[in-house]
Amino acid sequence: ETGVTQSPTHLIKTRGQQVTLRCSSQSGHNTVSWYQQALGQGPQFIFQYYREEENGRGNFPPRFSGLQFPNYSSELNVNALELDDSALYLCASSPGEGEQFFGPGTRLTVL
Amino acid sequence: GESVGLHLPTLSVQEGDNSIINCAYSNSASDYFIWYKQESGKGPQFIIDIRSNMDKRQGQRVTVLLNKTVKHLSLQIAATQPGDSAVYFCAENKDSGGGADGLTFGKGTHLIIQP
Repeated sequence: ETGVTQSPTHLIKTRGQQVTLRCSSQSGHNTVSWYQQALGQGPQFIFQYYREEENGRGNFPPRFSGLQFPNYSSELNVNALELDDSALYLCASSPGEGEQFFGPGTRLTVL
Repeated sequence: GESVGLHLPTLSVQEGDNSIINCAYSNSASDYFIWYKQESGKGPQFIIDIRSNMDKRQGQRVTVLLNKTVKHLSLQIAATQPGDSAVYFCAENKDSGGGADGLTFGKGTHLIIQP
């Protein structure tokens, strides 16, 4: 167990809807990153938050947005869902350098 | 574009044998490398990491080798056990793992342990 939790575990949405995924980071970790993992692929970096500010972003469109709260927990929001957004969404926390600790993920299915 | 990739998608070994999983990376600016293990339905689990100022690092039953000349990373698992069956990913980052562009993962190698 890494101490990183995510909710919900599974989620089913329809195309065009919006979704919010949540992550609680490991105690003492001020950096949270989000990744998208399509079936059979490695995780792809979406963005990273450090002390409530986005400080890095991968190749994802603006409809992927996020928040980090003062307690370092985080949300991932996806607007105008598309079928290709179906994936496992992973949250990882870290103390800034070194190892990133991953949560169990949220499985999103877009119909 | 720059990427981290793996040579083999599936590796099957006998229980008790040693396993070697390989990884090639192309970003010469990377200075931090990690191996993760992912079991079905779970998030990636840290196995071992290595920084670019090292060539080898050992953990419990695992060894990571880094060859910066050819940009190659390998994970050796000694005396494989059924619980080692999983998908293994290599990942890289800059700035000792604090790079704000996140980890770059390869596609993964599925390690299958035969009884």
